Formats: sequence, structure tokens, C-alpha cells
Amino acid sequence: SQQGEEDPQALSIQEGENATMNCSYKTSINNLQWYRQNSGRGLVHLILIRSNEREKHSGRLRVTLDTSKKSSSLLITASRAADTASYFCATDAAGGTSYGKLTFGQGTILTVHP
Amino acid sequence: DTAVSQTPKYLVTQMGNDKSIKCEQNLGHDTMYWYKQDSKKFLKIMFSYNNKELIINETVPNRFSPKSPDKAHLNLHINSLELGDSAVYFCASSHLRLGAFFGQGTRLTVV
Repeated sequence: SQQGEEDPQALSIQEGENATMNCSYKTSINNLQWYRQNSGRGLVHLILIRSNEREKHSGRLRVTLDTSKKSSSLLITASRAADTASYFCATDAAGGTSYGKLTFGQGTILTVHP
Repeated sequence: DTAVSQTPKYLVTQMGNDKSIKCEQNLGHDTMYWYKQDSKKFLKIMFSYNNKELIINETVPNRFSPKSPDKAHLNLHINSLELGDSAVYFCASSHLRLGAFFGQGTRLTVV
């Protein structure tokens, strides 16, 4: 089965509300990264959290990592219509010769209504 | 300045043709990748090069051949294109501490 599975698959909220997306994975990791993809556009790197970190902030983004549960969450506070996009988590597996190979989940489609 | 740039952005071609997608990064990263995103938006790694050396080669048809003339460039050549090759192809480069950064993607449509 797939590494980096996101939950929910789709999320619809009103502007100003918070959005929380979750990601679960199966193997040990070096780090976990979150990306945003606007419709028909490229992947934008949002944040990287290392396996020895538990929480990280960047602007309105807050990422948590629980390696015991093999899960991560991305919180977007005070959402804006411009946050409408697909959000992906990607894991960089520990050990072996992965050389930074990322395994992506299916993504969460976030829609923020004005 | 664009950190990871790939060309072309769109590519429409007929079955059986050979095409190339070019990628360049100006971040000074040692590792570059090609990923494929299918119609369901699932992203999967195809190849990885570290300092011009192939280090990851996933189960990809040998019609796909990456070429890295130097560590700032990783091109993807595809022979005998098939309908199933239609997808968005992303180039990326990575830094150990900062993560992987992606280009804008090349939407390939095989007709």
C-alpha cells in the first residue's frame, strides 16, 4: 500500500476558518515535506520537518510530526480563498540508498470559499 | 529567477514520436529527479541523479532515458511515445536540509 496517505481527500471551508490535513505513512523517515499544487500548476514546497522535530511553523502554516504514530498534520490558520489548492505530503524514507527519494500521498483538495 | 525550470510547459505529440523535456536548476543542488503525475494526481518518482550519476531508476519503460550533461541539468528523452505516457512530468532538485524543489511541470499529451 501507499506511503504518505492524506486525510481527508477533500476539505471545503469558509474563508477565515482553519484547515487541518493529516498524513500517515508506513516506514521510518528522514523527513516529511508538505507541498501545495494549484490547479494545473507546479508543486510549491511549503515546509520540511525532520524526524527529530515535533512541530514547525511557517507563517500561517503549522506542521506537526508524530513518528510514534507515523503521522503528520498540516494546519493552515485563517484560510484565504487563495489557499484553494491540492496539498500533498511526501516522505523521505530513512536508511538504504533513497538519496532523498520522495514518496507522495494522493493529496487533499482544499477549497476555501470567499 | 526560476530555481528549477523545465521546458516545454506543454507538449502535444503523436504516438510513436520521440520527444525530450529539458530541466535546469540554478540552486547548486547535487541531486535531481524526474517525477510523473498521472491523471489522478498521483506523483511517482522515475529517476534520480546525484552529481550526474544515476542513483534511482524505478520501474520505468526503457523508452524513457534520462541524461545529465552536468549537475545543473537533467533532461528526459522519451522514445516511441504511447497514449499511456500522457501525464505531467516534473523535474526537481534537492538539498539535504531544505528538501526538494520542483519545476512547473510539463504536460505531455500523446494523441
